[in-house]
Amino acid sequence: SAVISQKPSRDICQRGTSLTIQCQVDSQVTMMFWYRQQPGQSLTLIATANQGSEATYESGFVIDKFPISRPNLTFSTLTVSNMSPEDSSIYLCSVDDSRLGEAFFGQGTRLTVV
Amino acid sequence: GDSVTQMEGPVTLSEEAFLTINCTYTATGYPSLFWYVQYPGEGLQLLLKATKADDKGSNKGFEATYRKETTSFHLEKGSVQVSDSAVYFCALSDRNNDMRFGAGTRLTVKP
Repeated sequence: SAVISQKPSRDICQRGTSLTIQCQVDSQVTMMFWYRQQPGQSLTLIATANQGSEATYESGFVIDKFPISRPNLTFSTLTVSNMSPEDSSIYLCSVDDSRLGEAFFGQGTRLTVV
Repeated sequence: GDSVTQMEGPVTLSEEAFLTINCTYTATGYPSLFWYVQYPGEGLQLLLKATKADDKGSNKGFEATYRKETTSFHLEKGSVQVSDSAVYFCALSDRNNDMRFGAGTRLTVKP
């Protein structure tokens, strides 16, 4: 199985600032995913991050707002830029290990923007 | 804490077979319950959800009923297709809006 370390686990940020969330995996994986869960809603995919290429963003999400890095096969970051209270959510990273045929999840980052 | 226990896979079925993937949960209070699906090479997608006891979620021929008395949310489909081959995740969202996922069940449907 893959173990994912996501941090920070929670943060309270001022509007207009940016927060970078890190996702570290204990094994090399091809695909990494970033999700958002706004209060009272289900999980929504933000983007897919593959190593060596630009992230692929879902409808409604743009790179300027949610820049993603994927420098190698075990690490990715998601930045929430120029935050507003509407960005208050839980952000979750996930990896898809095709060799194991499974998906694994980080612990999530609870972000509150004030 | 809250948790979700999901039937282990993998599950292999022939096309048009009946599908059941069991899911039970442990929670304080009354969580919302979800089934997510992950197709090969894609991210998670919400398949269906139920927010209170006796609610039935349904989508694309899949159904699941929120059973408070048995703390279950089993996923069913009457006739599966090859295109249903994917990994299915049962999940709950507790009163703090924290998600808990089951381990996932890989379904392979053969023609």
